[in-house]
Amino acid sequence: DPKIIQKPKYLVAVTGSEKILICEQYLGHNAMYWYRQSAKKPLEFMFSYSYQKLMDNQTASSRFQPQSSKKNHLDLQITALKPDDSATYFCASSQDWDSSYEQYFGPGTRLTVL
Amino acid sequence: GDSVTQTEGLVTLTKGLPVMLNCTYQTTYSPFLFWYVQHLNEAPKLLLKSSTDNKRTEHQGFYATLHKSSSSFHLQKSSVQLSDSALYFCALSVNNYAQGLTFGLGTRVSVFP
Repeated sequence: DPKIIQKPKYLVAVTGSEKILICEQYLGHNAMYWYRQSAKKPLEFMFSYSYQKLMDNQTASSRFQPQSSKKNHLDLQITALKPDDSATYFCASSQDWDSSYEQYFGPGTRLTVL
Repeated sequence: GDSVTQTEGLVTLTKGLPVMLNCTYQTTYSPFLFWYVQHLNEAPKLLLKSSTDNKRTEHQGFYATLHKSSSSFHLQKSSVQLSDSALYFCALSVNNYAQGLTFGLGTRVSVFP
């Protein structure tokens, strides 16, 4: 059974619209993260949460807003979508808030903005 | 800021040959280094990790040694298989506030029969 669930797997949106990417982890982890992977760019760290508290935000735009309703949930709301937002968005989690813990990645949501 | 450099974008080789993927990093903090492997249309998966200087770490036939003196964590395998064809990322984590991983650009490995 998948331990990190991301929904949807594929998402097509029009410019200017708003979408929510869902992430749930069933590993019992206390820290969760969002990363973005676009063409010809490395995986980019976006946000980190620990015990539902925002720990770090590396995105330059306020259009990206993480939402954590439960400890094992970390959704990503993206508003005023732009074609440059097209990418695969990966959710990840780690046991706790420490660099030594490995991060486990979900299967990703591939977002295409037209 | 922190950074990771992977010098090879693409490595093509024949099954059974050895491979080495380069990874160097820059940080002012104490580093944790990771190698992740990503097969086509899949999530990145951890292959190796290390924070111990000059100690070799191994998993699934792959091995790497963190050398803090040269800020390097090169990935090696003695004999590649067709199933090793994938994208390999070197990643850095440090004990500061952020905890997010800093990834290199990745090296695509293509193994031919």
